[in-house]
Amino acid sequence: EAGVAQSPRYKIIEKRQSVAFWCNPISGHATLYWYQQILGQGPKLLIQFQNNGVVDDSQLPKDRFSAERLKGVDSTLKIQPAKLEDSAVYLCASSFEQGPNQPQHFGDGTRLSIL
Amino acid sequence: GNSVTQMEGPVTLSEEAFLTINCTYTATGYPSLFWYVQYPGEGLQLLLKATKADDKGSNKGFEATYRKETTSFHLEKGSVQVSDSAVYFCALRGTGFQKLVFGTGTRLLVSP
Repeated sequence: EAGVAQSPRYKIIEKRQSVAFWCNPISGHATLYWYQQILGQGPKLLIQFQNNGVVDDSQLPKDRFSAERLKGVDSTLKIQPAKLEDSAVYLCASSFEQGPNQPQHFGDGTRLSIL
Repeated sequence: GNSVTQMEGPVTLSEEAFLTINCTYTATGYPSLFWYVQYPGEGLQLLLKATKADDKGSNKGFEATYRKETTSFHLEKGSVQVSDSAVYFCALRGTGFQKLVFGTGTRLLVSP
């Protein structure tokens, strides 16, 4: 089966600019996650979708970050405006459903550098 | 809240050496425990998991035992290979639909 697809792989922007990331989960997976992984740290959950509804966005900086999953399949994560501290790898993951023992399958991530 | 503490790296070993990466956790109730591996330039892959006390997860020669009395889930492998060089993350997920919480990761470097 095809894995989780993310694009772009790399993005370099200047602070205060906008950027968007795209994720296509594994076919049939209802649950989609966006994580932020800062260098030297473990991934931190930003937002979790169940189909096209938000389950958890408690750690999403809502003043600058937004995410949507229209039609319950693909998802986009946007940052507007970007700050230096947003430099990180943004990982998308999906799982068949949201049960505690459901394995999460990760994409290769988008590495964002803010100048 | 839930948290995971891993030993700091890098861990540097020669091929065929024994590996232990320590992981301890803080959580209420009975969380599920996971080890993920991240190869350079790639996303995370689930390596193994354990969902209840005394369970042993194993995969590709790696194993870890869920020890509730010591709140630990140490990763072990009897004989490492150069191809095992990667960053290893311990993680837990609380009961119900709680989020996955990761440790900071431990980099393993294996030399021939």
